[in-house]
Amino acid sequence: AQSVTQPDARVTVSEGASLQLRCKYSYSGTPYLFWYVQYPRQGLQLLLKYYSGDPVVQGVNGFEAEFSKSNSSFHLRKASVHWSDSAVYFCALRAGGYKVVFGSGTRLLVSP
Amino acid sequence: DAAVTQKPRYLIKMKGQEAEMKCIPEKGHTAVFWYQQKQSKELKFLIYFQNQQPLDQIDMVKERFSAVCPSSSLCSLGIRTCEAEDSALYLCSSSLDWGGWNTLYFGAGTRLSVL
Repeated sequence: AQSVTQPDARVTVSEGASLQLRCKYSYSGTPYLFWYVQYPRQGLQLLLKYYSGDPVVQGVNGFEAEFSKSNSSFHLRKASVHWSDSAVYFCALRAGGYKVVFGSGTRLLVSP
Repeated sequence: DAAVTQKPRYLIKMKGQEAEMKCIPEKGHTAVFWYQQKQSKELKFLIYFQNQQPLDQIDMVKERFSAVCPSSSLCSLGIRTCEAEDSALYLCSSSLDWGGWNTLYFGAGTRLSVL
């Protein structure tokens, strides 16, 4: 069965600092991988997605993610966070078919 | 940007009452999904529609929920008898098609509180 693990429930970083949110997946093949963000009182919005090609994929608002097949990981990064980045971030996997499996989310708090 | 509309935003029900929430998928999207989210944690898959037909649903939905997409522009999710454990954010999402690369677009959700 496919699964997604986000080991950090909460991450706090200072504004202007760099960020990495971790995501590990379990799937024997090559999955479609996504990062979504959920701002307060809103639904989820896509940040970026990956299936093949360059393992570093660029997303919106300066986010990027790096795929590693050997580590079964798809970590999200940002060079300099802004207070408005405070939100819950979800890593997700689609292994073929319609079903998307979501991680448990990482709540990011950007402190001034 | 794609827009999925959900109504109402907030719903308060007493235990044992019926609840209904609606979703207007993005125009042209053929796949509709409902998820349940508790306390901003992981999304729990509830049911999947393709071209308005329910193709997969979890047992809880079969037993206590009612879900339909009477048209390509309207879907609804109902709970026949609300229980306290049903308190959650219900998210509707749609995508152009059912799999692969297709992005899920989410509504803002209906927050159900069962008292």
